[in-house]
Amino acid sequence: GENVGLHLPTLSVQEGDNSIINCAYSNSASDYFIWYKQESGKGPQFIIDIRSNMDKRQGQRVTVLLNKTVKHLSLQIAATQPGDSAVYFCAEKKAAGNKLTFGGGTRVLVKP
Amino acid sequence: EAGVAQSPRYKIIEKRQSVAFWCNPISGHATLYWYQQILGQGPKLLIQFQNNGVVDDSQLPKDRFSAERLKGVDSTLKIQPAKLEDSAVYLCASSGLAGRGPYEQYFGPGTRLTVT
Repeated sequence: GENVGLHLPTLSVQEGDNSIINCAYSNSASDYFIWYKQESGKGPQFIIDIRSNMDKRQGQRVTVLLNKTVKHLSLQIAATQPGDSAVYFCAEKKAAGNKLTFGGGTRVLVKP
Repeated sequence: EAGVAQSPRYKIIEKRQSVAFWCNPISGHATLYWYQQILGQGPKLLIQFQNNGVVDDSQLPKDRFSAERLKGVDSTLKIQPAKLEDSAVYLCASSGLAGRGPYEQYFGPGTRLTVT
């Protein structure tokens, strides 16, 4: 069945360090994987996505890696800043339709 | 561009009462979604509309939840009667051809429902 989950519920990071958030998935029929950031009291905000035929994609300060062999997705945040403190969700989209299935979230706490 | 609007932002009701949430998607977005997000969990899709038609409502508890999008723009989600386990944030999202991809969903701030 569908299952998108995260290994670590909370990640504490020193300001300026790099953050790595991990996600495991089990549905091989997904064609897109997406990372969302959710700040307190707000809805999820799109960060970056990656197609299933790619293994790496870079954005501004963020990199997403996809390892289809072990069904693993990660989000790397470079030079973590206090504004990066939030809950991060991975989500997968099935090849048919726009339905997203979200994982359980990882909270990132940036220490000054 | 204006984002997805939702109201109310907070609602407290007693169990067995009814409640309704309103969503105004981003202008021009044909697809609208309602999600339920229980504290500490990721959002779970309740229903997806394409214009005013239902695309997916497989996870909507139809005995108590209903949703409509009569004119293909605004949408309302209703719960009647509410149960304690309905306490959650109800998120509305929309997507369209504009943006990074047709599947990219833009979320509203959500309505936090507390059922006592």
